[in-house]
Amino acid sequence: DQQVKQNSPSLSVQEGRISILNCDYTNSMFDYFLWYKKYPAEGPTFLISISSIKDKNEDGRFTVFLNKSAKHLSLHIVPSQPGDSAVYFCAASEGLYAGGTSYGKLTFGQGTILTVHP
Amino acid sequence: NAGVTQTPKFRVLKTGQSMTLLCAQDMNHEYMYWYRQDPGMGLRLIHYSVGEGTTAKGEVPDGYNVSRLKKQNFLLGLESAAPSQTSVYFCASSYSTGDPYNEQFFGPGTRLTVL
Repeated sequence: DQQVKQNSPSLSVQEGRISILNCDYTNSMFDYFLWYKKYPAEGPTFLISISSIKDKNEDGRFTVFLNKSAKHLSLHIVPSQPGDSAVYFCAASEGLYAGGTSYGKLTFGQGTILTVHP
Repeated sequence: NAGVTQTPKFRVLKTGQSMTLLCAQDMNHEYMYWYRQDPGMGLRLIHYSVGEGTTAKGEVPDGYNVSRLKKQNFLLGLESAAPSQTSVYFCASSYSTGDPYNEQFFGPGTRLTVL
């Protein structure tokens, strides 16, 4: 049972345009969401996050939107650059507000390969 | 700071052999995690630890054992390797609390092939 899904395996975008990566989740206990970026032969690196009490978080060219009612989040990259070409993973965690014993465990989506063409 | 390091980077095993993957972090993090990444599956949690001397099962623990004898080290063992354990293994660590919550820092990965 895939609790976090990224239904687009790949996305191709022209340099300077907007990249939109999507993520859906099924577990209503998730209250914190993160995006990670991964280059080949490297470990994932943290990009941006959002808690469930917000619907938007922005950091430079990166913005994450959260639609709790639809259990959907998206990552917008504007403008896209060739160096953004990587695999992007969506991840979710529970227990930020409910307390409990999630111990920071993350559930990851399958990843989306973003290619930004010059 | 080296961050999170993993040893070895690559390994080829024969079915039935055993090995240990070593993860080390120099950020004084309480929490440590082992994931495996397979094509089309994302990262799946194998085992995790919330402090020195503690371990717990994740989503896919079968066939693996772990130990955390020192706070900075987290070992992943395969007692009898199987071809299904061919994967890329990532170690990660994080603070128990902090902002951004649950940001995990990952190592570079170990590519394991079991023949």
